[in-house]
Amino acid sequence: SQQGEEDPQALSIQEGENATMNCSYKTSINNLQWYRQNSGRGLVHLILIRSNEREKHSGRLRVTLDTSKKSSSLLITASRAADTASYFCATDGWGSQGNLIFGKGTKLSVKP
Amino acid sequence: EADIYQTPRYLVIGTGKKITLECSQTMGHDKMYWYQQDPGMELHLIHYSYGVNSTEKGDLSSESTVSRIRTEHFPLTLESARPSHTSQYLCASSDLMGRETQYFGPGTRLLVL
Repeated sequence: SQQGEEDPQALSIQEGENATMNCSYKTSINNLQWYRQNSGRGLVHLILIRSNEREKHSGRLRVTLDTSKKSSSLLITASRAADTASYFCATDGWGSQGNLIFGKGTKLSVKP
Repeated sequence: EADIYQTPRYLVIGTGKKITLECSQTMGHDKMYWYQQDPGMELHLIHYSYGVNSTEKGDLSSESTVSRIRTEHFPLTLESARPSHTSQYLCASSDLMGRETQYFGPGTRLLVL
């Protein structure tokens, strides 16, 4: 399976601190995406990084991708209480017909 | 905010009932998906569709069925609900290749007693 595995499973920080979440996967990919899910809601797309890219930024988000290690990291800088949510990585692997495989997610809690 | 809608948002029903979970999108996307997610867990793909009259089974075996008669509409049906079907069901859509963003609905929380 090319399932992504996030690490840590849960992360608790203070407002203003940075939050780093990691994702590992098993097979070759076309792209890797990060999504956020607020409690009891659907997922919201955050950022997509393609297999030939190493780093991407979007506002306070920074994503890196290391295809040799089959891993990615999501950094949220200067976190806010509103960033409290679960964060999932999802991989679009070779031969997946464009379907995504989601990891188990990291539950982030940002305390005011 | 994505233009993808799911109804009902919450549903409590008894064992053996037939239910249909509705999903509609106004983005003109060809590809649509149904995922099942238990609390605090990952999403599992149960059905997807490339367009009208196309339905495919996902990675997780499911007793539910889907139909795609119109591009914008992708309902999921359970003929006879059981307590093991209790979960959250998320609908999503994307462009045909599905290699870009997926847009998710708010989900339906199903409780089968």
